Amino acid sequence: QKEVEQDPGPLSVPEGAIVSLNCTYSNSAFQYFMWYRQYSRKGPELLMYTYSSGNKEDGRFTAQVDKSSKYISLFIRDSQPSDSATYLCAMSATGNNRLAFGKGNQVVVIP
Amino acid sequence: DAEITQSPRHKITETGRQVTLACHQTWNHNNMFWYRQDLGHGLRLIHYSYGVQDTNKGEVSDGYSVSRSNTEDLPLTLESAASSQTSVYFCASSVSTGNNSPLHFGNGTRLTVT
Repeated sequence: QKEVEQDPGPLSVPEGAIVSLNCTYSNSAFQYFMWYRQYSRKGPELLMYTYSSGNKEDGRFTAQVDKSSKYISLFIRDSQPSDSATYLCAMSATGNNRLAFGKGNQVVVIP
Repeated sequence: DAEITQSPRHKITETGRQVTLACHQTWNHNNMFWYRQDLGHGLRLIHYSYGVQDTNKGEVSDGYSVSRSNTEDLPLTLESAASSQTSVYFCASSVSTGNNSPLHFGNGTRLTVT
């Protein structure tokens, strides 16, 4: 079993819809959870960063972490065509800067 | 602005040749990482370094080597390129070991081994 599981999609949604992405993980030591966004032919860029359980909101983006279920989610409200990208979840344990990545989820927002 | 630069952006080489991919960061970060990204596998860690003269193997290090002679650079060398090493390679850096700080990525090098 891989440490981080992420359904690679792809996911197509109409403009304005809510996008819901998620990852599951097996390592209970993970405390830091990140979502990266990667546009075509570009490197991943950090989108959201959370520590331990709970929610974090930044504009149209909300990250949720449920450590009891080993499950994290990213929600994109009022999706825009510019949100079309691959979204990767990543996580790490305390004192360990090596991230475990999901395979990425391709999202296409249709105008 | 600080950045992380990879070169070349594209490279085609022949099987058996030695290839070096460059990575240069101006963030003054201690930590640097090399990943490869392939369909169906996501990002996989090749090698990483927590500072000058420090290098460590990642999960897919066979056939690759790195050296860290200064803070800014971590070149990745393919000793004898193989077709299985055709991939997109990303370099990344982060601030320090203890804070689980996020990675800053370069824009990748697309390597084709024929």
